[in-house]
Amino acid sequence: KQEVTQIPAALSVPEGENLVLNCSFTDSAIYNLQWFRQDPGKGLTSLLLIQSSQREQTSGRLNASLDKSSGRSTLYIAASQPGDSATYLCAAYSGGGADGLTFGKGTHLIIQP
Amino acid sequence: NAGVTQTPKFQVLKTGQSMTLQCAQDMNHNSMYWYRQDPGMGLRLIYYSASEGTTDKGEVPNGYNVSRLNKREFSLRLESAAPSQTSVYFCASSPRDRVLGSPLHFGNGTRLTVT
Repeated sequence: KQEVTQIPAALSVPEGENLVLNCSFTDSAIYNLQWFRQDPGKGLTSLLLIQSSQREQTSGRLNASLDKSSGRSTLYIAASQPGDSATYLCAAYSGGGADGLTFGKGTHLIIQP
Repeated sequence: NAGVTQTPKFQVLKTGQSMTLQCAQDMNHNSMYWYRQDPGMGLRLIYYSASEGTTDKGEVPNGYNVSRLNKREFSLRLESAAPSQTSVYFCASSPRDRVLGSPLHFGNGTRLTVT
């Protein structure tokens, strides 16, 4: 069974720093991997989706990479801002219907002004 | 653009009571899902509907039933609520099979407490 791990569980950095959030998965046979953002009391918002054939995806200050062979994905946030404070979750899709989507438990990010 | 709308936002039930959580999406998506989110457990799939007229069990279906009323609406019913069902419930939708890489769109959740 696929397992998705996000380390660290929490991270606090000063505003303006570039930072990397990590996501690892145990079964490398994935179709795609998705990064989400969750604000307190809200649902998840999809940030980036990387297909298994892709190495990375970019959206504004966000860049997500995927290395299937090592079972790792990273989310790079450039020039962090207080508005980036949220919980970031990754989810790996291994196929077989909706059951095949496995979420990590998230990294709670705080950007200090 | 409303996206995925869940009602109610908050609910308190007593053990044994029943209720239905409502979800509607206005994006003409084929697939809809119900998840629960618990501290330390992450998101877990309860039921899903790949298309109108079909429903399937997810990881934690016991104690729940679902109805895909039409393409827009997917409801989750608790027939006899238990304290273990205290959680935040999220409805989500996607335009097509996730193998093709369509992202999930989530509602803002229903916070349910069972006493």
